[in-house]
Amino acid sequence: AQSVSQHNHHVILSEAASLELGCNYSYGGTVNLFWYVQYPGQHLQLLLKYFSGDPLVKGIKGFEAEFIKSKFSFNLRKPSVQWSDTAEYFCAVSSEAGTALIFGKGTTLSVSS
Amino acid sequence: DGGITQSPKYLFRKEGQNVTLSCEQNLNHDAMYWYRQDPGQGLRLIYYSQIVNDFQKGDIAEGYSVSREKKESFPLTVTSAQKNPTAFYLCASSRSQETQYFGPGTRLLVL
Repeated sequence: AQSVSQHNHHVILSEAASLELGCNYSYGGTVNLFWYVQYPGQHLQLLLKYFSGDPLVKGIKGFEAEFIKSKFSFNLRKPSVQWSDTAEYFCAVSSEAGTALIFGKGTTLSVSS
Repeated sequence: DGGITQSPKYLFRKEGQNVTLSCEQNLNHDAMYWYRQDPGQGLRLIYYSQIVNDFQKGDIAEGYSVSREKKESFPLTVTSAQKNPTAFYLCASSRSQETQYFGPGTRLLVL
C-alpha cells in the first residue's frame, strides 16, 4: 500500500531562516505529488504540484519543491520564511491509476517574528 | 463565485444519532471526495466518487455512508456505528485525476 512520510512533526523557525520540509513516499510506479498548506482558520490550499517534466517545481508565496525519483522524495523549500508562513503543511501523493490522495501526517511550522 | 461549500461549520451529534454533512460544488468537477482530519494524523480518505451514482470506499469507510445523486452534491452520513466520530471533515472535488480542491470543512463534535 502507498504511504507518505513527513519527517518533521513540528518545526520552529525565526523569520528569514531557510526552510526545508521532508517528504518521502512509498510507491514504485508513476506518481503525482502535491504540497498543501492549511493556514490557521483557513481552507486547505494547494501550494504546488508535480505531475511530470522539470523535477523542480515552483509554487505560490516563494515555495518550491524538488522531486527526486531515486530517493522517492518531494521536499518542500523556501529560502526565507515569514511570520505569515505559520501553518500546517501536508505532502500528498496519488498514483497514476487512482484518483484518491494519500496524505502525510503533516508538519506544523511556527515562525517567530 | 465558484467553489466548494460545506455545511454546517460545526455539528453536534448525540450518541446513537446519525448526522449528515453537506458538500456542494459548482466547479463542474466529476470527482468528489470525503476526508477525515485528526490532529497528528493527516487526512484519511473516507469515500470518493468519480461519477454520479457511483462511489468507492476509502481507507476508513466503516461507520460512514454517502450518496451521489447529483454531480454537484456528495453528502456524507456519519452513522451511529462510527464510534469515534469527533473530527474535522473535509470535502474535495477535482476533474478526473487532476488536482483536488478543498472546502472549508465541518467540525463534528459528540455531546
